[in-house]
Amino acid sequence: GAVVSQHPSWVICKSGTSVKIECRSLDFQATTMFWYRQFPKQSLMLMATSNEGSKATYEQGVEKDKFLINHASLTLSTLTVTSAHPEDSSFYICSARDLFQREARLVQFFGPGTRLTVL
Amino acid sequence: DQQVKQNSPSLSVQEGRISILNCDYTNSMFDYFLWYKKYPAEGPTFLISISSIKDKNEDGRFTVFLNKSAKHLSLHIVPSQPGDSAVYFCAASAVNQGGKLIFGQGTELSVKP
Repeated sequence: GAVVSQHPSWVICKSGTSVKIECRSLDFQATTMFWYRQFPKQSLMLMATSNEGSKATYEQGVEKDKFLINHASLTLSTLTVTSAHPEDSSFYICSARDLFQREARLVQFFGPGTRLTVL
Repeated sequence: DQQVKQNSPSLSVQEGRISILNCDYTNSMFDYFLWYKKYPAEGPTFLISISSIKDKNEDGRFTVFLNKSAKHLSLHIVPSQPGDSAVYFCAASAVNQGGKLIFGQGTELSVKP
């Protein structure tokens, strides 16, 4: 159980285009999902918290107009990188929590990640 | 302001021996701690967690110890296997912060046959 998928697993795009990344919880309902990015040899940096049916909460320094997050259902959150530039190239990872799992409600289960390369 | 620190970027251990990965934190509001294992270009995999009301949690070869007074936790892997070679992240959460996880920098474990 507790499987999270991401699509696509990798994407290459031209500078100025927008890219959408999907995150799905496959076998549980996730009222909260999280989006992270990871640079090589560094830790995971939380970008935003995505709550089903409400606006995402962004961490300090993350541009909400550039990284659009939509959490339209209990199993799907999307991250859209708008007008992508080479500095947006990174590894983006989502996670989800199963709030109905009483004993492990704070455990986040991660997707496999999406490698974005902006040319 | 690094609230969760893993001061050892790498650790090398012989197969069959114990691996001990360490993690320190500064925020006394943290009340839940987790360890994740990560391979390159993959998402982290949850290993084990511990609540601040406990000082030890065990799951198979993995044991996490929590020393609240020292603000220190450690992950013990016994016996270590070559398949354990990966980057290990500790993470901490405070229940009043919406379940956000704060990650350490990671420790790369290499288990040699």
